[in-house]
Amino acid sequence: QKEVEQNSGPLSVPEGAIASLNCTYSDRGSQSFFWYRQYSGKSPELIMSIYSNGDKEDGRFTAQLNKASQYVSLLIRDSQPSDSATYLCAASGYSTLTFGKGTMLLVSP
Amino acid sequence: KAGVTQTPRYLIKTRGQQVTLSCSPISGHRSVSWYQQTPGQGLQFLFEYFSETQRNKGNFPGRFSGRQFSNSRSEMNVSTLELGDSALYLCASSSTTGQVYEQYFGPGTRLTVT
Repeated sequence: QKEVEQNSGPLSVPEGAIASLNCTYSDRGSQSFFWYRQYSGKSPELIMSIYSNGDKEDGRFTAQLNKASQYVSLLIRDSQPSDSATYLCAASGYSTLTFGKGTMLLVSP
Repeated sequence: KAGVTQTPRYLIKTRGQQVTLSCSPISGHRSVSWYQQTPGQGLQFLFEYFSETQRNKGNFPGRFSGRQFSNSRSEMNVSTLELGDSALYLCASSSTTGQVYEQYFGPGTRLTVT
């Protein structure tokens, strides 16, 4: 069974700090990985995609992928209270995504 | 481009009834996936449709079914509703170019079964 594991949190960081969110996946065949942000009562919003080993930066967000370790992470620099949300990690299968249960991030002012 | 739309946004049904939910994907997207989200189980994959064909199916009972129309709009149906079917039902569309399956979610339908 394909699984994506995330620490449920909450991860609490002060405003301006770096938040580090981690995810591991079981299916070595997964090729694409995604981070979604979900605010309470809302639907998931795609914030980062990563397909190759290494880092990918987009604004304050950096996604990191290590396929050998089956590990994906998301760094949020200069965290803001508006970043407080649940972050879902997803790994691709054949035209499907397997989601982790998400990590709740709380950024305190 | 308009995003994914889902109707209705909220539904209250009684046990034993059936319900139909609708999803319109982003223009040009031909793949539509459905998910059930509950606090305990997270996001669980129901099924995926591409060009009117069910391409993948999750581990849900046969009470859950779906279809896709020629314009890529999709519907899912749940028959003989149970209390445990109360959840947020999310539809996501994807352009499926190559092996990239970036999925974009609609706002969801919140189903409450009483």
